[in-house]
Amino acid sequence: DQQVKQNSPSLSVQEGRISILNCDYTNSMFDYFLWYKKYPAEGPTFLISISSIKDKNEDGRFTVFLNKSAKHLSLHIVPSQPGDSAVYFCAASRQTGANNLFFGTGTRLTVIP
Amino acid sequence: DAGITQSPRHKVTETGTPVTLRCHQTENHRYMYWYRQDPGHGLRLIHYSYGVKDTDKGEVSDGYSVSRSKTEDFLLTLESATSSQTSVYFCAISQGGSGTEAFFGQGTRLTVV
Repeated sequence: DQQVKQNSPSLSVQEGRISILNCDYTNSMFDYFLWYKKYPAEGPTFLISISSIKDKNEDGRFTVFLNKSAKHLSLHIVPSQPGDSAVYFCAASRQTGANNLFFGTGTRLTVIP
Repeated sequence: DAGITQSPRHKVTETGTPVTLRCHQTENHRYMYWYRQDPGHGLRLIHYSYGVKDTDKGEVSDGYSVSRSKTEDFLLTLESATSSQTSVYFCAISQGGSGTEAFFGQGTRLTVV
């Protein structure tokens, strides 16, 4: 039972435009969310996180939005660059108690020069 | 980059043989994790450790055991490898467990024939 879902396996975007990657979760106990980026033959790299007490967190070109009522989060990349081409994983956890990150299945982003 | 080294990076083994994967960290982080990545599943937690000799099961722990005799080393053992354990295995570390980001190693590609 996938508790974190990324329903778009792939996304293509022109360089310079906005990339929006979406993620949905089913467990209302999740209160900490993360995005990871993964290149082939490498481990996932942490990008940005957000706690459930916020609805937005920015770090440079990357912004994560959280809509708790919809159990939905999104990652915005503006402007998109060819080096952003990778697989992006959404992950969720609880801030206390459990020590597990639950991952989505990933979205492959291709930024076209 | 977080100092995490996984060994070996690639391994081919026969069904029924024991296999041990090693994760070594130089960050002195308390928490260490083993995940597996499979198509259609994202990353799933196998086992984790919250201190020397302190370990617990994750979502997909059947067929796996772990040991942590030193802060810096976390071993994953497949007692009798099966073809369903063909996967890419990632070690991760974090300072604070839940509610903190985890940093991943480069992965071990294991093929069981």
